[in-house]
Amino acid sequence: EVHLVESGGGLVQPGGSLRLSCAASGFTFSGFWMGWVRQAPGKGLEWVASMKLDGGDKYYVDSVKGRFTISRDNANNLLHLEVNSLRVEDTAVYYCVRVRGIVLLFDYWGQGTLVTVSS
Amino acid sequence: DIQMTQSPSTLSASVGDRVTITCRASQSISPWLAWYQQKPGKAPRLLIHKASTLQSGVPSRFAASGSGTEFTLTISSLQADDFATYYCQQYSSSSATFGQGTKVEIK
Repeated sequence: EVHLVESGGGLVQPGGSLRLSCAASGFTFSGFWMGWVRQAPGKGLEWVASMKLDGGDKYYVDSVKGRFTISRDNANNLLHLEVNSLRVEDTAVYYCVRVRGIVLLFDYWGQGTLVTVSS
Repeated sequence: DIQMTQSPSTLSASVGDRVTITCRASQSISPWLAWYQQKPGKAPRLLIHKASTLQSGVPSRFAASGSGTEFTLTISSLQADDFATYYCQQYSSSSATFGQGTKVEIK
């Protein structure tokens, strides 16, 4: 059974940084693209970032380009999202997602980790 | 970027009702359209992909169709477990975008 477990969220001041992690199990991690989707409190879903199998190609939504970095550790089945220069509007639950195929279809989701940006 | 617009934003219905949600894209995305269900406090769940293909384990009362820029999700006979928020999502480009969501609530 596929399991995705996020960690690393918390309360941070504007301009601060966090490193979100996602531990994957139940599938061959190195065989799948992975990504992050976020959801601000009471709002809809927003795709944030995705990356290919070996980390060669990475894709980001415009609003986080230059501030967020997605990475993966295939040896340990881990996905990371480094979030820097955080803004109040980055406050959201961040979901780790498994990507099906080479298109941005999200077939499995973690339970999410909450990032709160506030002074 | 491709914009996705869902209607209605909220839908009030009763158990047993047939309900339909519409999703429109700002440009053609066929067939790269997915539908997700999200319950309060939970992660979204993939229901439909490739516009009309039911994900494994999803009840057959869920059906979807559409092409080009207009798509629909239909629940043939609403069950208590179906009260949730539904999102469409396009994945035709290197960036994915979601509709704003349709909340299906108890009438």
